[in-house]
Amino acid sequence: EVQLEESGGGLVEPGGSLRLSCAASAFTFTSYSMNWVRQAPGKGLEWVSSISPSGDSTYYADSVRGRFTISRDNAKNSLFLQMNNLRIEDTAVYYCARDYSQGSMADAFDVWGRGTVVTVSS
Amino acid sequence: DIQMTQSPATLSASVGDRVTITCRASQSFNTWLAWYQQKPGKAPKLLISQVSILESGVPSRFSGSGSGTEFTLTISSLQPDDFATYYCQQYDSISSCTFGQGTKLEIK
Repeated sequence: EVQLEESGGGLVEPGGSLRLSCAASAFTFTSYSMNWVRQAPGKGLEWVSSISPSGDSTYYADSVRGRFTISRDNAKNSLFLQMNNLRIEDTAVYYCARDYSQGSMADAFDVWGRGTVVTVSS
Repeated sequence: DIQMTQSPATLSASVGDRVTITCRASQSFNTWLAWYQQKPGKAPKLLISQVSILESGVPSRFSGSGSGTEFTLTISSLQPDDFATYYCQQYDSISSCTFGQGTKLEIK
């Protein structure tokens, strides 16, 4: 079964850092662009960042650009999100999600993980 | 960036009703629009991609249509399992995508 599983969430103080991971299984990870999407408590979905299959192209929402870094390790079928200088408004469930089509770089998201909770609070 | 405005924010309906959710874009784009269903505590589920392509396993009572700046999700006959929150997403740009604010479908 195609699966994504996030980890690394937790409680962090404003200004702190956190690194999220997403483990992929049962599909050819190297063929797909991957994404992070977040959802603040009681709010809607917000796209955070995307990365190409090879990792050489990355994109960010304005709200996180310069603070967050997306990366991937294709040898380990893993996606990462390094989050620095965290703000209270970064509190959310963070989902990793797969692009629908192989090799695409702008697509719907057909596979989602269960999410990991990030809480930024003093 | 293209902004997506969904309406209504909340929709109260009964089992068997036909309902329509609308998503309006701040500028025209091609067919790169998707619809998702999300239930409390769960990840979103892709229902429709490219405006009207139903995902495998999604009941045929769901349909999508539209073009330009206005897109709709229609559920032809509501079932108990359909009460959830629905989001549209545009993915026209390679450098970003945006979601609508969501429509919560409630039981009347």
